[in-house]
Amino acid sequence: EVQLVESGGGLVQPGGSLRLSCAVSGFTFSTYWMSWVRQAPGKGLEWVAMISDDGGAKNYVDSVRGRLTVSRDNAKNSLYLQMNNVRAEDTSVYYCARHQLGMHAFDFWGQGAMVTVSS
Amino acid sequence: DIVMTETPLSLSVTPGQPASISCKSSRSLLHSDGKTHLYWYLQKPGQSPQLLIYGVSNRLSGVPDRFSGSGSGTDFTLKISRVEAEDVGVYYCMQGIQLPWTFGQGTKVEIK
Repeated sequence: EVQLVESGGGLVQPGGSLRLSCAVSGFTFSTYWMSWVRQAPGKGLEWVAMISDDGGAKNYVDSVRGRLTVSRDNAKNSLYLQMNNVRAEDTSVYYCARHQLGMHAFDFWGQGAMVTVSS
Repeated sequence: DIVMTETPLSLSVTPGQPASISCKSSRSLLHSDGKTHLYWYLQKPGQSPQLLIYGVSNRLSGVPDRFSGSGSGTDFTLKISRVEAEDVGVYYCMQGIQLPWTFGQGTKVEIK
C-alpha cells in the first residue's frame, strides 16, 4: 500500500525556519518525481516545488524560490522541504505528492502538515 | 503562468442527477509528446486531494465510471453521470504542461 506521511509542521515566527519531512512506503521511491503542494486556510491548491527522481532537477513557484528548498534521500525513502525566512503568506497545509509515471499528475498524496507563520 | 478557470464555482445537485464542470486554460495543454496534460482532482471534506482523471479522460484505477473527462486544447469538462452523496467536495482541474503547474480555483459540489 502506497503511503506518504508528512511531519514537522507547526508554529513558526516570521523570518524563522522549519523543515517538513515526508516518509514514503509501498513503492520504489527512487523512481518517482515528487512535489510539495500547499493549501492556505479556506483556499485552493498551489503547487510549490518539485524534485526529479534522482534529485538532479528541482523547480519552484516564484513566490517561494530562494526561501524554500526541496530535497530527498532515496536511501531513507524521504522527501523534505526546508522552509527559511518564512512569511505569513506561507501559512498553509503542505502536502507531499507523488507524480504519476510519465505525467505530472499527482496520483498519491499525504495527509498534510500544517504550517502556521505568526508572531 | 497558465491560468486555469473553472466554472461554475459551486454546484448543488440532486442525487442521481448529472453534473458538469468546465475548465478552460489560457494556452493549449497539448504537448509535443502527444499527451494533453490536464488532470482532475477531488478534495472531499477534511481530506487530501485525490486524483480522478489524468490525460483529459483516463480514470485512475478505482475511480467509478460515472466520472468522465473530455475536451481538447484549452477547453475541458468533467462530468458525473449520476451524482452520489460521496461525490461532495471541491473539484480542481490542473495543468501539467508548463511550470509552474497550476490549478483551477475549484468547484464546490454539494448535494441538494
